[in-house]
Amino acid sequence: DTAVSQTPKYLVTQMGNDKSIKCEQNLGHDTMYWYKQDSKKFLKIMFSYNNKELIINETVPNRFSPKSPDKAHLNLHINSLELGDSAVYFCASSQVGQGKDTQYFGPGTRLTVL
Amino acid sequence: DAKTTQPPSMDCAEGRAANLPCNHSTISGNEYVYWYRQIHSQGPQYIIHGLKNNETNEMASLIITEDRKSSTLILPHATLRDTAVYYCIVRVVGGATNKLIFGTGTLLAVQP
Repeated sequence: DTAVSQTPKYLVTQMGNDKSIKCEQNLGHDTMYWYKQDSKKFLKIMFSYNNKELIINETVPNRFSPKSPDKAHLNLHINSLELGDSAVYFCASSQVGQGKDTQYFGPGTRLTVL
Repeated sequence: DAKTTQPPSMDCAEGRAANLPCNHSTISGNEYVYWYRQIHSQGPQYIIHGLKNNETNEMASLIITEDRKSSTLILPHATLRDTAVYYCIVRVVGGATNKLIFGTGTLLAVQP
């Protein structure tokens, strides 16, 4: 059973297109995250949702719009894709609470913008 | 910015203990030390965390100095599958913003 899953695993698209990445967790966690890992391997937080409410938005361009239909899902929609958006995007989840918010990561979605 | 400093790379012989150091001299009293690792092309994986006391689980041991300014992750019997980038992260637990701030980590290469 996969705890945090993402689809698709690979996404290749043209500049200017709009695409979505989906994330689901079956751990019963109340908080979900999106991280971006660029070509230099730096991992950086993008967004965090707690109980479907946006908690963290780390100066990400408006072209990126996360959506959380319920606690188990956090999708990432990207408009007008640019070359610099090429990266691996990781979803994660955790249960916020004292000593209990270990984050569990998905396998990643490798986005390539041509 | 990450609040930790780690060596960029280390080698370890298979079957030997791997000791990965981390400096966090500006750590605050309510910040924990977390360790994650990222095996090539996979998502980061939680290893262990601690506040003041040394901790041990099925994966590793965490030794935190008394002044909490540095720590060491110990993999007691490294295997080839332990080859990965290891990240040391300091963070407050239980706050509203639970983001992980990753540094550059240590690439541990386990040699046969």
